[in-house]
Amino acid sequence: GIQVEQSPPDLILQEGANSTLRCNFSDSVNNLQWFHQNPWGQLINLFYIPSGTKQNGRLSATTVATERYSLLYISSSQTTDSGVYFCAVVRYSSASKIIFGSGTRLSIRP
Amino acid sequence: SQTIHQWPATLVQPVGSPLSLECTVEGTSNPNLYWYRQAAGRGLQLLFYSVGIGQISSEVPQNLSASRPQDRQFILSSKKLLLSDSGFYLCAWDAWTGNTEAFFGQGTRLTVV
Repeated sequence: GIQVEQSPPDLILQEGANSTLRCNFSDSVNNLQWFHQNPWGQLINLFYIPSGTKQNGRLSATTVATERYSLLYISSSQTTDSGVYFCAVVRYSSASKIIFGSGTRLSIRP
Repeated sequence: SQTIHQWPATLVQPVGSPLSLECTVEGTSNPNLYWYRQAAGRGLQLLFYSVGIGQISSEVPQNLSASRPQDRQFILSSKKLLLSDSGFYLCAWDAWTGNTEAFFGQGTRLTVV
């Protein structure tokens, strides 16, 4: 099945710093999403981005489907950005299962 | 708008007891439904998914089972819980049409003692 790899696994930054999280996938995909898991475990939808670039405030994401990767950018980090960020993909030929990467744990220090 | 409900939020159960977690979706028809488990500090493992009533696919052999008795209801069960069943369980849905976002419930934190 399709493999999803996220890097880095852990990232510690000072408040105000910028960061780039990467998601590589082993085969072509039909859907790709970025999620933020908050300290209570809830998965918050950030972006639905099978291709192209989107921006939402301090966050933006780019997916280059032909090269099988996606990037999540966080600018001017705040302590509330802390948590785990997951990339998840769907490939229809794999029965449309949503497959997650192992996540990037982001810690923002005040 | 569509919403997903999952309950209970937390559960402490003794080893050997049964389990039933319920997930319901509102505002859509014929959704794809998913159960995931997350061990402490780990990623999300897909347990079951369903594309329709009575249609369940299992991803990993385990002590759990799933059922979909109604279009928008997905139930995760066990006859006898094991310590290794502890974890955070998440239900999710996306549209059968494809090319749409998936949305997750708030999760159930299960501790087997």
